Amino acid sequence: TQLLEQSPQFLSIQEGENLTVYCNSSSVFSSLQWYRQEPGEGPVLLVTVVTGGEVKKLKRLTFQFGDARKDSSLHITAAQPGDTGLYLCAAPSWGKLQFGAGTQVVVTP
Amino acid sequence: GAGVSQSPSNKVTEKGKDVELRCDPISGHTALYWYRQSLGQGLEFLIYFQGNSAPDKSGLPSDRFSAERTGGSVSTLTIQRTQQEDSAVYLCASSFRNSPLHFGNGTRLTVT
Repeated sequence: TQLLEQSPQFLSIQEGENLTVYCNSSSVFSSLQWYRQEPGEGPVLLVTVVTGGEVKKLKRLTFQFGDARKDSSLHITAAQPGDTGLYLCAAPSWGKLQFGAGTQVVVTP
Repeated sequence: GAGVSQSPSNKVTEKGKDVELRCDPISGHTALYWYRQSLGQGLEFLIYFQGNSAPDKSGLPSDRFSAERTGGSVSTLTIQRTQQEDSAVYLCASSFRNSPLHFGNGTRLTVT
């Protein structure tokens, strides 16, 4: 059983559309991170959220941490082909960082 | 270098052979992680080094897998008697205390 459940597993959309991906758990976390990974590269950190209910914006990306600090969402507005990648959430658990299985996002022109 | 460096970038080996994967973390980073990623999947935790503490080996899938970190810097992940199911991308990451992880580009291992 995954500590962090991400959904959907795969998302294919047209350029200009909006999308939301989710990261859920039954555990409470002190913080949660989102990474994006492109083919042939390692994941790169996008954001860290630490406070329940927190909302952070990074250009067209909006990240929200649930009030109970058990879940998070990533919303992309007016997606562009450059947003294509594997989006991973991660949280500290027993002293180490655990990752979800990721959501593969494909944005076509 | 400025980032985490992993070598080799690609490794093809025959079933039953041993392989060594190397990771050079960012200078000064105290924490070092190894993860495994199968095609299109998330990251599976393998092992974690933090400073001089005993490593957390709880993610190693079998006793064929081992890792060491010499002098608090370079790390080597060794897989003995490789099996086809070991084929994956092996990612190394480092961080300073509780800061976010910086990943290398991984070693793609193919066991034939």
